[in-house]
Amino acid sequence: GDSVTQMEGPVTLSEEAFLTINCTYTATGYPSLFWYVQYPGEGLQLLLKATKADDKGSNKGFEATYRKETTSFHLEKGSVQVSDSAVYFCALSVDGGFKTIFGAGTRLFVKA
Amino acid sequence: NAGVMQNPRHLVRRRGQEARLRCSPMKGHSHVYWYRQLPEEGLKFMVYLQKENIIDESGMPKERFSAEFPKEGPSILRIQQVVRGDSAAYFCASSPPRGGAGNEQFFGPGTRLTVL
Repeated sequence: GDSVTQMEGPVTLSEEAFLTINCTYTATGYPSLFWYVQYPGEGLQLLLKATKADDKGSNKGFEATYRKETTSFHLEKGSVQVSDSAVYFCALSVDGGFKTIFGAGTRLFVKA
Repeated sequence: NAGVMQNPRHLVRRRGQEARLRCSPMKGHSHVYWYRQLPEEGLKFMVYLQKENIIDESGMPKERFSAEFPKEGPSILRIQQVVRGDSAAYFCASSPPRGGAGNEQFFGPGTRLTVL
């Protein structure tokens, strides 16, 4: 079945460090891919998305590229801030977006 | 535009009581999803509803849990005879009636259920 696998956390970085959170997927058909972020005590918010191969989603300095050949959608940011501390979820959707499958989440801690 | 609203934000119940969680989707959204998040764990899909219909309840426990999305009013997730293991954050999400590539879900702030 369809699934998402993302790297286990927690990930701890110093401010201004480079961030990569790996995400790979398996899916029948042609899914859309998403990264959601969850700040402490809040619900999930969409961070970025990509709907077809080689698309790059970007927002707030975060980027991810839809790689069909490696079935990956890794999240990157060149210089993290303390305010980026949160849990990041990789997700895919099929069936016109009415079924979304989430990864287990990766907790990021950024130290000042 | 108001976002997805959930209430209560925090709910405390004793073992054996009933918990009733409410979710009002975003205006114009007719699809509602419920997820459960246990402490330090990821998001687990529970159920997907449209107005007056349960579309997919493959993630719902077979007993004590039920969900509805009536023609009028919010979606309700009901947990009967709660046990300590039901303590979790329950999130509701909604999406618009038209799907398509990139159709995202919009999440509410969650209800944090604590069972004493």
